[in-house]
Amino acid sequence: AQTVTQSQPEMSVQEAETVTLSCTYDTSESNYYLFWYKQPPSRQMILVIRQEAYKQQNATENRFSVNFQKAAKSFSLKISDSQLGDTAMYFCAFMKHITGGGNKLTFGTGTQLKVEL
Amino acid sequence: DAGITQSPRHKVTETGTPVTLRCHQTENHRYMYWYRQDPGHGLRLIHYSYGVKDTDKGEVSDGYSVSRSKTEDFLLTLESATSSQTSVYFCAIRPGDNYEQYFGPGTRLTVT
Repeated sequence: AQTVTQSQPEMSVQEAETVTLSCTYDTSESNYYLFWYKQPPSRQMILVIRQEAYKQQNATENRFSVNFQKAAKSFSLKISDSQLGDTAMYFCAFMKHITGGGNKLTFGTGTQLKVEL
Repeated sequence: DAGITQSPRHKVTETGTPVTLRCHQTENHRYMYWYRQDPGHGLRLIHYSYGVKDTDKGEVSDGYSVSRSKTEDFLLTLESATSSQTSVYFCAIRPGDNYEQYFGPGTRLTVT
C-alpha cells in the first residue's frame, strides 16, 4: 500500500515571498503520478500541478513548481511570489498507474498555508 | 469548472436513516469516484465507477453502496447512516488519459 506524508501541518509566508511545501511518499511501484491539490476556504479541491514518475524534468505551472526526487521519494511544491489568494490547504497525492478505472488517489493529511501581508 | 455538480450541498440526518448523495457530470466521462474527507486523513476513496453499471470498492467502502445507471450520474447511498459517516463527500471525474481527477464542490453530511 502507498502512503503519503506531509510533515508540515501549518506554514506561513509573507506576500511576494517564496515558500516550499514538503511531501514524501512510500511505494514499491515504478510507474505512478504525483499531484498537488489546493483547497481554499470555499472547500473546492483544485488541481495545481501533476508530475509523471517517468519524467525527470520537474513540472511547472506559472508560479508553482515541484522538486521531484524519485530516489528519495520526495515531491515538494514551491510557490513563488506568494499571493493572498494562495492561502489554502495543500494536499499532496499519489496515484499508481493502472490501465482502467482503478486509479485511486492516495492523499496526505495536508499543509495549511497562510499568506500574510 | 469540470462540469460536476453534487446534491445536496449540505444535509443533516439522524442515525439509522438512509441517505443518497448525487454526483452529476455534463461531459459523459467514463470514470467517476466518491471520496470522503475527514480531519487528519486527507481524502479517502469510497467507491469508483468505470462505466454504466460498472463499479468497485475503494479503501473505506463499508457502510456505503453506489449505483450508476446513466453515464452522467453516480449515486452514493448510506443504507443506515451512522455518526462515523459525518464527513465531507467529494465526487470526482477523470476526463482522459492523463490520469488527472477533477472534483465537485462537495457535500457536507452531518449524522446526529
